[in-house]
Amino acid sequence: AQSVSQHNHHVILSEAASLELGCNYSYGGTVNLFWYVQYPGQHLQLLLKYFSGDPLVKGIKGFEAEFIKSKFSFNLRKPSVQWSDTAEYFCAVMLPAAGNKLTFGGGTRVLVKP
Amino acid sequence: DAGVTQSPTHLIKTRGQQVTLRCSPKSGHDTVSWYQQALGQGPQFIFQYYEEEERQRGNFPDRFSGHQFPNYSSELNVNALLLGDSALYLCASSFWGAQGNNEQFFGPGTRLTVL
Repeated sequence: AQSVSQHNHHVILSEAASLELGCNYSYGGTVNLFWYVQYPGQHLQLLLKYFSGDPLVKGIKGFEAEFIKSKFSFNLRKPSVQWSDTAEYFCAVMLPAAGNKLTFGGGTRVLVKP
Repeated sequence: DAGVTQSPTHLIKTRGQQVTLRCSPKSGHDTVSWYQQALGQGPQFIFQYYEEEERQRGNFPDRFSGHQFPNYSSELNVNALLLGDSALYLCASSFWGAQGNNEQFFGPGTRLTVL
């Protein structure tokens, strides 16, 4: 069964700092990749997704992610964070051959200090 | 356009009881998936419904069952509740026709506490 690993459980940084969150998955076939964000008190929202094509994906709120197939990775980045980026971030994988099931990583809590 | 809605928002039950959670999908969606998110963890897939049938199931016991209605709304039922069933239960909707290549939209969740 596929699995998703997010190596950082907690990240604390100051406003304007750069953010990079790691995500690795354990499936060798075709995958669809997602980053979801959960702001305090809000529901899961999609930040960005990768299905095919350009491995550098741009999402909402200035986030981007790079799919590196050889490393089974899909890391999330933002050049300059804001206090409003404080949230929990989840990486997720979907196997198109196995239907619509999402497998999530354990999440990374990001705290941006003003 | 209403997004995914879930009810109730919060629920407190005692061990051994049964619970029913409800979900209405986003307009235009016909597929409903349920996830369990324990505190401090990522969501885990429970099962998925399309055309009123369970299409996929995660690693959850038979105490977890579901139903989908003709209007695409869905229920999650949990019998014989255990303390470990305390979690946020998330419903996600999608369009079956884009199978494997679509986005799931999540509801706000139902927070279940088992005492």
